[in-house]
Amino acid sequence: DAGITQSPRHKVTETGTPVTLRCHQTENHRYMYWYRQDPGHGLRLIHYSYGVKDTDKGEVSDGYSVSRSKTEDFLLTLESATSSQTSVYFCAIRLTRDLNSPLHFGNGTRLTVT
Amino acid sequence: QQQVKQSPQSLIVQKGGISIINCAYENTAFDYFPWYQQFPGKGPALLIAIRPDVSEKKEGRFTISFNKSAKQFSLHIMDSQPGDSATYFCAASIKTGANNLFFGTGTRLTVIP
Repeated sequence: DAGITQSPRHKVTETGTPVTLRCHQTENHRYMYWYRQDPGHGLRLIHYSYGVKDTDKGEVSDGYSVSRSKTEDFLLTLESATSSQTSVYFCAIRLTRDLNSPLHFGNGTRLTVT
Repeated sequence: QQQVKQSPQSLIVQKGGISIINCAYENTAFDYFPWYQQFPGKGPALLIAIRPDVSEKKEGRFTISFNKSAKQFSLHIMDSQPGDSATYFCAASIKTGANNLFFGTGTRLTVIP
């Protein structure tokens, strides 16, 4: 898993509550990504980061925010969780600065919003 | 708009058979085509990748065939094994920025013993 730790691995929360997912890497890789995975949709990019405090939106960013205050941690926050945000969330890193190098994924966080 | 279209959505193959997953794209600027394999409870992991200057790449039982003129590429798994049962994602990449990798919707492969 290339030194990526996602926490928590599972979470159940209620509609309307804020939720924060954490992605931690053990090396100083520049690029970090948050994806969600849903049946029939594959992997969709939520937000990504290209350095400390440098983040940008992906294709499904509504209802999500991110922060990267230090290189090793990339946090994903659901400001007010909704049932449509029930999903499996994956963090990924790019191990080199080559933008055509592959991504390496964590093992995911399964989030259920009731 | 789906940048990379993948089919089939699911596939059942007998042990020893050939599994074939197809992908198509429109953007001719894509210049890197990786395939990812995902087992239940795990994140996707790079399986094999190809660049458009070659028509085929083989690694063990896994082969990517690439047709640049048709803008299609496919994954062939020869002598499929039950341990190959997983979800497979094709992807395409363009070297223009950090948000540059586009995934297909995935194929769930089941190999029957």
